[in-house]
Amino acid sequence: DTEVTQTPKHLVMGMTNKKSLKCEQHMGHRAMYWYKQKAKKPPELMFVYSYEKLSINESVPSRFSPECPNSSLLNLHLHALQPEDSALYLCASSQTQGAQETQYFGPGTRLLVL
Amino acid sequence: AQSVTQLDSQVPVFEEAPVELRCNYSSSVSVYLFWYVQYPNQGLQLLLKYLSGSTLVESINGFEAEFNKSQTSFHLRKPSVHISDTAEYFCAVSSNFGNEKLTFGTGTRLTIIP
Repeated sequence: DTEVTQTPKHLVMGMTNKKSLKCEQHMGHRAMYWYKQKAKKPPELMFVYSYEKLSINESVPSRFSPECPNSSLLNLHLHALQPEDSALYLCASSQTQGAQETQYFGPGTRLLVL
Repeated sequence: AQSVTQLDSQVPVFEEAPVELRCNYSSSVSVYLFWYVQYPNQGLQLLLKYLSGSTLVESINGFEAEFNKSQTSFHLRKPSVHISDTAEYFCAVSSNFGNEKLTFGTGTRLTIIP
């Protein structure tokens, strides 16, 4: 099983809302990632968790708050977002945080901020 | 720092014709190379990867890519394309130096013409 699941598939939120994106994998992977993908662009790395600890934060605004409650789950908490934050948010996981590791991606959550 | 260049943003090809999607990378150290495919409204899937050893790598659906160190290239080829190959293709590079991030190219949109 090489599946990464993400919920919800679509999300519409106002700029004052608080919402969360969820990601789950049961492959025993110890590295998990959040990417942001704008239309017709490549994914941009936001955060990396390695063994449930935040390893990389790519200078993401504080209105995005990641959380890794256990080795299978990854959340992205959203608060006071801007319309320019509308994008496809992709979660990925890999065996470990190594350069040669294959990252397995979920289908994404398409976020629209009004 | 590493970077990836995909010069062709769009490639239209007739069904059953051959195709080559170009990828060049820039890095001062040894790299690992990946091709990911993104079908409409989906996440990314690994197509194939080069880590070491044989410079020619193949995928299960007929794609192949050849690592050429002297030309710093990792072009993707398929001898005969099918309608189902319509997708966005991303070349990506990582290395053991730095923070082992996956750096994506800007993507090539492959459109198969019936």
